[in-house]
Amino acid sequence: GAGVSQSPSNKVTEKGKDVELRCDPISGHTALYWYRQSLGQGLEFLIYFQGNSAPDKSGLPSDRFSAERTGGSVSTLTIQRTQQEDSAVYLCASRLGVNTEAFFGQGTRLTVV
Amino acid sequence: KQEVTQIPAALSVPEGENLVLNCSFTDSAIYNLQWFRQDPGKGLTSLLLIQSSQREQTSGRLNASLDKSSGRSTLYIAASQPGDSATYLCAVPNSGGSNYKLTFGKGTLLTVNP
Repeated sequence: GAGVSQSPSNKVTEKGKDVELRCDPISGHTALYWYRQSLGQGLEFLIYFQGNSAPDKSGLPSDRFSAERTGGSVSTLTIQRTQQEDSAVYLCASRLGVNTEAFFGQGTRLTVV
Repeated sequence: KQEVTQIPAALSVPEGENLVLNCSFTDSAIYNLQWFRQDPGKGLTSLLLIQSSQREQTSGRLNASLDKSSGRSTLYIAASQPGDSATYLCAVPNSGGSNYKLTFGKGTLLTVNP
């Protein structure tokens, strides 16, 4: 595809359920990010993948959050036992390298009820 | 730790006016700075990436400048149009070993009135 693709675009889930969010980066981009944007808040860094290196997970808010990137391409962000405070827009971005332009997907709006 | 501030938080202008959005950052040891726009309910759209070796970068009616020594960048929008209405965000990488990590300002909400 031409850009970063995220699915689903919207997700409503019940408190306590697990959810999985998907990101398809731009082909050939080795760097992939997940960010979270809560209502009225700035973008919060969650996790970073670069090629085959160990990911930087320092932004994950709790051990209920995990992410993986298979084959250096598609990434999934999993939130277990969702809580209402997890409600936010989850954004994925990819780039060729640290000194290149970052491109974002349209985001997944997660609502926990 | 890199901190990014955007002023003003909101700006409302009549169509046709030229305007400047400001971004300041605390750690000037950066490789680049990127400007984005975000429409309501949408993701971020990249506008301009300006490298640390550049002082200016232009795309159409947009011009971004970067002054690393003072920790500032400006985004100039010429002849504003209602379609320019959006939130504008700047992003700056951390310095040192985590220079891949982007820190964002909270954005400037721009409204261009017809």
